[in-house]
Amino acid sequence: QKEVEQNSGPLSVPEGAIASLNCTYSDRVSQSFFWYRQYSGKSPELIMSIYSNGDKEDGRFTAQLNKASQYVSLLIRDSQPSDSATYLCAVYNFNKFYFGSGTKLNVKP
Amino acid sequence: NAGVTQTPKFQVLKTGQSMTLQCAQDMNHNSMYWYRQDPGMGLRLIYYSASEGTTDKGEVPNGYNVSRLNKREFSLRLESAAPSQTSVYFCASSEASSGAYNEQFFGPGTRLTVL
Repeated sequence: QKEVEQNSGPLSVPEGAIASLNCTYSDRVSQSFFWYRQYSGKSPELIMSIYSNGDKEDGRFTAQLNKASQYVSLLIRDSQPSDSATYLCAVYNFNKFYFGSGTKLNVKP
Repeated sequence: NAGVTQTPKFQVLKTGQSMTLQCAQDMNHNSMYWYRQDPGMGLRLIYYSASEGTTDKGEVPNGYNVSRLNKREFSLRLESAAPSQTSVYFCASSEASSGAYNEQFFGPGTRLTVL
């Protein structure tokens, strides 16, 4: 079983809609949770970090963490074509970061 | 601040050749990491260094060696390159070797092709 699971997509949403990206993880003692955005041919860029249960908002992005369900999500409000990228979920545990394979998001104008 | 830098950006090797990928960070981070990224495989950890003077194997260490030269620099060496090592290599760093508040930042990557 992989440490971090994501739906590979692609997830297609119209411009202006809410995009919802989901991630589950296997280790209950995981400490920190991150969302990265990766454009094609570029390196991963950190967009959100979350450490405790609940919601964390930053601009158009909201990260949600539910440790009991071992579930992390990322909501992107008012999606823009520039949000089209692959989104990687990462979990930190005992000196290592574990990454999902990523969900490809397409925002259609 | 430049963040995390990597050299070279691109490299083509022949099977059996050796090379070293260089990585440096100017954020005074304790921990540094080397990943490879292949299509459909996500990021896989090769080696990491939780702090200066220590290195540990990750998920896919075979065929690689690392050196944590000092707090800033962490190099990855391919002793005898194989076509299976064709990939994009990313270096990353983070502040703390343990604890919850531990954001990780990536370099621009090295695209390596082994013929």
